[in-house]
Amino acid sequence: SAVISQKPSRDICQRGTSLTIQCQVDSQVTMMFWYRQQPGQSLTLIATANQGSEATYESGFVIDKFPISRPNLTFSTLTVSNMSPEDSSIYLCRTARGTEAFFGQGTRLTVV
Amino acid sequence: AQTVTQSQPEMSVQEAETVTLSCTYDTSESNYYLFWYKQPPSRQMILVIRQEAYKQQNATENRFSVNFQKAAKSFSLKISDSQLGDTAMYFCAFMNFGQGGSEKLVFGKGTKLTVNP
Repeated sequence: SAVISQKPSRDICQRGTSLTIQCQVDSQVTMMFWYRQQPGQSLTLIATANQGSEATYESGFVIDKFPISRPNLTFSTLTVSNMSPEDSSIYLCRTARGTEAFFGQGTRLTVV
Repeated sequence: AQTVTQSQPEMSVQEAETVTLSCTYDTSESNYYLFWYKQPPSRQMILVIRQEAYKQQNATENRFSVNFQKAAKSFSLKISDSQLGDTAMYFCAFMNFGQGGSEKLVFGKGTKLTVNP
């Protein structure tokens, strides 16, 4: 199995600022996935991050808004840039070993 | 592209009763996996049960079982002897390994289940 520590668990931010969310895995994993979950909605994939290469973004998400770092096989960050109230969501990281998925605890972001 | 459809936004059940949550999916792949995840108010995603598409036998995990109909592309979750702690959002999800092992999970919109005392 893999344990993911995601920080912060929640934050309230001013519009126009940026927030960086961190996920630390207790073992090496190949890929990290970042999701957004808007209030009462399902999980939407933002991007997939592989160590040593540029993240791959899904339609509707761009690197300038959601830059991702993956400096090694146990760590990744997602930054939500130039925030607006529409960015208020839960953000989750996920990794996988084969078909088994492991999720971070989620970050509840409120933009005011 | 794969899609997952959960047609029941909300459901409720009495404690100790049985409830079935519906899920259908669309894919042209033959090798894939299906999952049910539970998300309580804590936000943590918890795996409830999974099914490999190549297995005909329906998966079971204690009080949780699935009815997997591959031809109909249906994957329903049955919760027996419902407990108050089962109250949560339930997401049906699809994963395939047909494209370089990308391990992408596609989620349905979720069903909010409330277990009433």
